[in-house]
Amino acid sequence: DGGITQSPKYLFRKEGQNVTLSCEQNLNHDAMYWYRQDPGQGLRLIYYSQIVNDFQKGDIAEGYSVSREKKESFPLTVTSAQKNPTAFYLCASSIDTLGNTIYFGEGSWLTVV
Amino acid sequence: AQSVTQLGSHVSVSEGALVLLRCNYSSSVPPYLFWYVQYPNQGLQLLLKYTSAATLVKGINGFEAEFKKSETSFHLTKPSAHMSDAAEYFCAVSEAGAGSYQLTFGKGTKLSVIP
Repeated sequence: DGGITQSPKYLFRKEGQNVTLSCEQNLNHDAMYWYRQDPGQGLRLIYYSQIVNDFQKGDIAEGYSVSREKKESFPLTVTSAQKNPTAFYLCASSIDTLGNTIYFGEGSWLTVV
Repeated sequence: AQSVTQLGSHVSVSEGALVLLRCNYSSSVPPYLFWYVQYPNQGLQLLLKYTSAATLVKGINGFEAEFKKSETSFHLTKPSAHMSDAAEYFCAVSEAGAGSYQLTFGKGTKLSVIP
């Protein structure tokens, strides 16, 4: 089945540790995105990538990093510089960034203690 | 800059009653408009999308939305609520900027369906 796979679903980390969330898609989409979701806040864009080896900061990129070495993969690293990392993280993809529908993965819960 | 306002963070309806979820947007150019649904602990699923082809857009699960340019609204409706409609709904607007379209989400409306 085609889709977007995020792993792990649940992740616990100690404060001060970096953590990487995986996102893989087999939809042959050029564009990929990372969103953060907090209760009552909607979704906020962290980073997006329009094509391999290219990515841009979104609205809340501070404390996060990404890479796009392969078309299928767009991992997100939550660094120790992110002040409030506990959240639900959603990966998404679309054919391009020209208004086409964005499709979402199932999300990853990150809890930092 | 584009923005989305969803009126009412929580809406409760009785099973079989009309569902109306409100969305207003601001955009300097004709936008693309979306409604997504999210069930607990899951990702977002597309309900419907407006792309200027028709002002009344039909989506999945019996939902539809009407684009009203004069009111800058894109309200979501369903004639008869079902228990399975209980979820959180997000309105989103996509507008061209700096060579790409950016999707901006509203803060969501949680729909409860009372038996």
